[in-house]
Amino acid sequence: DAGVTQSPTHLIKTRGQQVTLRCSPKSGHDTVSWYQQALGQGPQFIFQYYEEEERQRGNFPDRFSGHQFPNYSSELNVNALLLGDSALYLCASSHRTTGTSTDTQYFGPGTRLTVL
Amino acid sequence: GNSVTQMEGPVTLSEEAFLTINCTYTATGYPSLFWYVQYPGEGLQLLLKATKADDKGSNKGFEATYRKETTSFHLEKGSVQVSDSAVYFCALSDFYGNKLVFGAGTILRVKS
Repeated sequence: DAGVTQSPTHLIKTRGQQVTLRCSPKSGHDTVSWYQQALGQGPQFIFQYYEEEERQRGNFPDRFSGHQFPNYSSELNVNALLLGDSALYLCASSHRTTGTSTDTQYFGPGTRLTVL
Repeated sequence: GNSVTQMEGPVTLSEEAFLTINCTYTATGYPSLFWYVQYPGEGLQLLLKATKADDKGSNKGFEATYRKETTSFHLEKGSVQVSDSAVYFCALSDFYGNKLVFGAGTILRVKS
């Protein structure tokens, strides 16, 4: 049973460019969440997608956008990259059983983004 | 808003020593609580969880008990190994399960 997969593994961009990161959820999962983890810090919630809609958003600017496809996979797009966007971007998937706090999120290996 | 506070690291222990990593939380409602572990260069792995007060989560010798009265979820292990060296994150999930709120993480180093 494949877990959560993310691509690419590493990415180097320059300021002002745009980037797209991809995530495939664990088999049987229908919900995808994205997190940003800066070096030496805990992950910060960006947003969550369910039924192809953004359900909740963290404190991130509109430069961060996403999409969920009918097969539940997801993309994270970041426009107008800043040096401060350099981080590990983590995707997590879960199965929305009751829509309560008991839904457990499973993480992928992450995409390391470096902005020069 | 919801928040998680973890003890600062790094925590350095000798093999077979007893481990405690403190975690306290602030939350409205009835969150679920989690411990995740991150090995160098990898993503986060779920270590254990507890979904209601007095629940004990356990896995691979690690344990944590959901204490509502002290708003705590401390991680313990009776005998650590070198392979336990990693960063440990305490997290809570809000009532609707929409997002995880993480602590800053605690680095654990185990020496042989």
